[in-house]
Amino acid sequence: GESVGLHLPTLSVQEGDNSIINCAYSNSASDYFIWYKQESGKGPQFIIDIRSNMDKRQGQRVTVLLNKTVKHLSLQIAATQPGDSAVYFCAETPQGGKLIFGQGTELSVKP
Amino acid sequence: EAQVTQNPRYLITVTGKKLTVTCSQNMNHEYMSWYRQDPGLGLRQIYYSMNVEVTDKGDVPEGYKVSRKEKRNFPLILESPSPNQTSLYFCASSLSGSKRYEQYFGPGTRLTVT
Repeated sequence: GESVGLHLPTLSVQEGDNSIINCAYSNSASDYFIWYKQESGKGPQFIIDIRSNMDKRQGQRVTVLLNKTVKHLSLQIAATQPGDSAVYFCAETPQGGKLIFGQGTELSVKP
Repeated sequence: EAQVTQNPRYLITVTGKKLTVTCSQNMNHEYMSWYRQDPGLGLRQIYYSMNVEVTDKGDVPEGYKVSRKEKRNFPLILESPSPNQTSLYFCASSLSGSKRYEQYFGPGTRLTVT
């Protein structure tokens, strides 16, 4: 079946460094790819999305890169802060309103 | 305050006893969706609704029902709960079109079925 996976389940970075979270997706027909952040005890929170006709999109301190050739998605966080510590999920949209999530990467920021 | 609310937040029930988890949003969003979150399996979509009276199955709809009679409400119904439906449930809502994936999530409902 369709699946979205992550290369690394955990990532530990030093405060102030840049973080890169990776994601592999499986459905070439997916129209949008999205990153969500989930802090402990809370619901997920939208970070940024990218449409399949784009390669790169930037937000505030975050950049998402899409490589359709190898079906790879990444989230780059600049100058990582302790408040960035969370689980990060990628998701793809294979059809209509359907959403398929990856299993998540836990980002830990060391002060 | 713009928000998605879910009730109850915690529920322990027994196998076979019908239950409803309510979800309400005050942002006039067209799109609403239910997810369950299980360790090692991430978030999986149960049902979604693109607008009033329009619902569709997600990845794991078996054992669940939904309805969308009003724009603000999207209840999740478990007609005959079973232990494998023990999970953390999230409701989410968003605008339609290109903003569909900027979803606002509720605080979650922790359900235990014994």
